[in-house]
Amino acid sequence: GAVVSQHPSRVICKSGTSVKIECRSLDFQATTMFWYRQFPKKSLMLMATSNEGSKATYEQGVEKDKFLINHASLTLSTLTVTSAHPEDSSFYICSASPPRIQYNEQFFGPGTRLTVL
Amino acid sequence: GENVEQHPSTLSVQEGDSAVIKCTYSDSASNYFPWYKQELGKRPQLIIDIRSNVGEKKDQRIAVTLNKTAKHFSLHITETQPEDSAVYFCAAPNSGNTPLVFGKGTRLSVIA
Repeated sequence: GAVVSQHPSRVICKSGTSVKIECRSLDFQATTMFWYRQFPKKSLMLMATSNEGSKATYEQGVEKDKFLINHASLTLSTLTVTSAHPEDSSFYICSASPPRIQYNEQFFGPGTRLTVL
Repeated sequence: GENVEQHPSTLSVQEGDSAVIKCTYSDSASNYFPWYKQELGKRPQLIIDIRSNVGEKKDQRIAVTLNKTAKHFSLHITETQPEDSAVYFCAAPNSGNTPLVFGKGTRLSVIA
């Protein structure tokens, strides 16, 4: 199957700082990647769709100025949580689909656990 | 957009018994229905999926059934084992090639 990596796996930061999370497709090119957020004991909630070479599409209620997404290459999308606050503490997971996949099968990264103190 | 409902939210079964988790979806155009297993602190792992052109798919102890008319699909786990304990999510795509919409999850506990 396709491999998606994320870095870092875990990050702890102080309130008010910014944190960048990287999502890479290791063995395929991904024109589209997706960013999800998962709070404890909750489901995965789509935050935004990251499009290579163009602006990301954000879901309703997700602040695009707070969660900056950059998809500068076909194998890398980054999510930057700006001016992080404790309520941003969550598990952030990206996913992508290889071009050869006909249906919507998605491959998830290992996730990044963000803790904002 | 797609709306996915999942039941039950928690399920406890004795080891060896079967477990069934059900999901309904709203978009009749949806054509792909995966099930994911997520262990604590880890990424969701695809365990089985079904396309809209079949009604049932089986992989060893795991099976998925799909009823397109009623717009629901179910996960069946037979001969459950303690290592099956996890949170299971169903999902369905929004229209077109857009990301998955997940159900709220079912926490399965298999009691030895």
